[in-house]
Amino acid sequence: DAGVIQSPRHEVTEMGQEVTLRCKPISGHDYLFWYRQTMMRGLELLIYFNNNVPIDDSGMPEDRFSAKMPNASFSTLKIQPSEPRDSAVYFCASSIVGTPIYFGEGSWLTVV
Amino acid sequence: DQQVKQNSPSLSVQEGRISILNCDYTNSMFDYFLWYKKYPAEGPTFLISISSIKDKNEDGRFTVFLNKSAKHLSLHIVPSQPGDSAVYFCAASGGGGSQGNLIFGKGTKLSVKP
Repeated sequence: DAGVIQSPRHEVTEMGQEVTLRCKPISGHDYLFWYRQTMMRGLELLIYFNNNVPIDDSGMPEDRFSAKMPNASFSTLKIQPSEPRDSAVYFCASSIVGTPIYFGEGSWLTVV
Repeated sequence: DQQVKQNSPSLSVQEGRISILNCDYTNSMFDYFLWYKKYPAEGPTFLISISSIKDKNEDGRFTVFLNKSAKHLSLHIVPSQPGDSAVYFCAASGGGGSQGNLIFGKGTKLSVKP
């Protein structure tokens, strides 16, 4: 079975540019999560969806960050404009009730 | 204000011996706890979990112990193998399941030496 698929795996961009990270959850999973990992803060939840509806976005750092889930098999996390402090690994994860959260391999973002 | 704390950033163990990774939490509403393992350049992978109604859960070489009164859980790996070398994250959630806001500790890097 395919796991959670994220793209791009690596992204280097200049400050001020728009960044779009993409995620395809595991088929049949109705929860989708976006996490960010940094050295300082560890793994932190940014936002999660249930049945394509955002449930909790309290972890989204500021208005420059937005996430969408237009259908059950696709989600995006967008940063506009990007800043160097946004450099981190962004993980998408998915689950269904009663199962642990399954993570993708991450998108490594560097903003210079 | 960390709700889930892993106070040891690293741990080194000899192959064949026991590895004990510790985790403390502050929120008494947490009722489901998980351990994830992460290799470099990969996403975290689920290892083992425990519900607050239990105090022990075992899966092969991995056992998780939960002490609710002390708000403490630990992961025991016996015997440790070099392939167990990875970063281990403790995570906790409230609300009766694994969904919702899973709070992670900052991880403990385990090195198992041959």
